[in-house]
Amino acid sequence: GAGVSQTPSNKVTEKGKYVELRCDPISGHTALYWYRQSLGQGPEFLIYFQGTGAADDSGLPNDRFFAVRPEGSVSTLKIQRTERGDSAVYLCASSLTAGGGNTIYFGEGSWLTVV
Amino acid sequence: AQTVTQSQPEMSVQEAETVTLSCTYDTSESDYYLFWYKQPPSRQMILVIRQEAYKQQNATENRFSVNFQKAAKSFSLKISDSQLGDAAMYFCAYRYSNFGNEKLTFGTGTRLTIIP
Repeated sequence: GAGVSQTPSNKVTEKGKYVELRCDPISGHTALYWYRQSLGQGPEFLIYFQGTGAADDSGLPNDRFFAVRPEGSVSTLKIQRTERGDSAVYLCASSLTAGGGNTIYFGEGSWLTVV
Repeated sequence: AQTVTQSQPEMSVQEAETVTLSCTYDTSESDYYLFWYKQPPSRQMILVIRQEAYKQQNATENRFSVNFQKAAKSFSLKISDSQLGDAAMYFCAYRYSNFGNEKLTFGTGTRLTIIP
């Protein structure tokens, strides 16, 4: 696609429920990133994929959070037993490859509200 | 760990005037990248300008320019001839240049208002 696409745009879920957020990166981009942006804050790194493998998952806050990218394209961020503190905008981004000189392109995010 | 600080939560500027947004960062590395991203209400982070730390020359993109002071660890953004479409949140970000260390570290942002 022309840009990074994220679905759903908005999601309201009840505390304790399971949630999946999807990211479709720019075609041909091998690097994919997930960030979380809480209200009034800058985005915080969660996880980075190079191809199918999670190269760095050091930003995942706990084991309720998990992400996959089985075919090296679309990625899904999975949150189990959601808590009110998980409410945030989840931003996905991609770049042609890894490396600081490559431009990272962001999607419009999935706004998750846990009630 | 790297940190990025934006000390101006909000700024405003008259249309067609110039405004400067401040950013400082802390790192022990010598090779890195610095970025300014714009986030309009659509939530999409849009890259405004990028600076490689090894380059002494300040980056420029049309009406946007930076003042990069490596020794002072300062990276300010100057917007000239401000336009209504420039209104947004602006985030300063740092990224280590080493392949494999891909994390962007963001500041808390500055909300820029353009006064018509």
